[in-house]
Amino acid sequence: KNEVEQSPQNLTAQEGEFITINCSYSVGISALHWLQQHPGGGIVSLFMLSSGKKKHGRLIATINIQEKHSSLHITASHPRDSAVYICAVGEGNKLVFGAGTILRVKS
Amino acid sequence: DTAVSQTPKYLVTQMGNDKSIKCEQNLGHDTMYWYKQDSKKFLKIMFSYNNKELIINETVPNRFSPKSPDKAHLNLHINSLELGDSAVYFCASSQDMTEAFFGQGTRLTVV
Repeated sequence: KNEVEQSPQNLTAQEGEFITINCSYSVGISALHWLQQHPGGGIVSLFMLSSGKKKHGRLIATINIQEKHSSLHITASHPRDSAVYICAVGEGNKLVFGAGTILRVKS
Repeated sequence: DTAVSQTPKYLVTQMGNDKSIKCEQNLGHDTMYWYKQDSKKFLKIMFSYNNKELIINETVPNRFSPKSPDKAHLNLHINSLELGDSAVYFCASSQDMTEAFFGQGTRLTVV
């Protein structure tokens, strides 16, 4: 069993929909990261959080340390949000990754 | 200015060859990493260096040898390449395990 579990694995949404991607982890962590990987491969860090909630534009990330759970929300989704979203937890000196969620937003 | 740059972006080579991938970061970070992304897009750490010293080596075959001439560079040498080494390799850097910055990836294809 992977230490970091993401759901769903695949997600198709209509433009404008509210999207939620979930991440659960089973290890003690220093911080949790949400990453975005577009077709073409580059990986971009969206958020790093260790408590509470962060917001950047239409993206919101929350974390519940007690429940070892984080969510990434996208409001008013757009086709350009189509990408792979990866949850990663900081464990010691390394990141441990979830398997990623493939998001496709249709216009 | 690119924060983390790795070269080459694409690398096609024959089995048995030796190849290197270079990585440089201009962020002044102390820690650099190599990650491997397999065909199912799953990322896994290979190595981590902090101030030129190896701190993580995650059961990677001895054919893979990282080299860090200074804290801004972490190169990956791979000897006797095998078909199973085909993957995308990402270099990354961070400071004190804060936000990680990734290179654009190197797609290695072994034929």
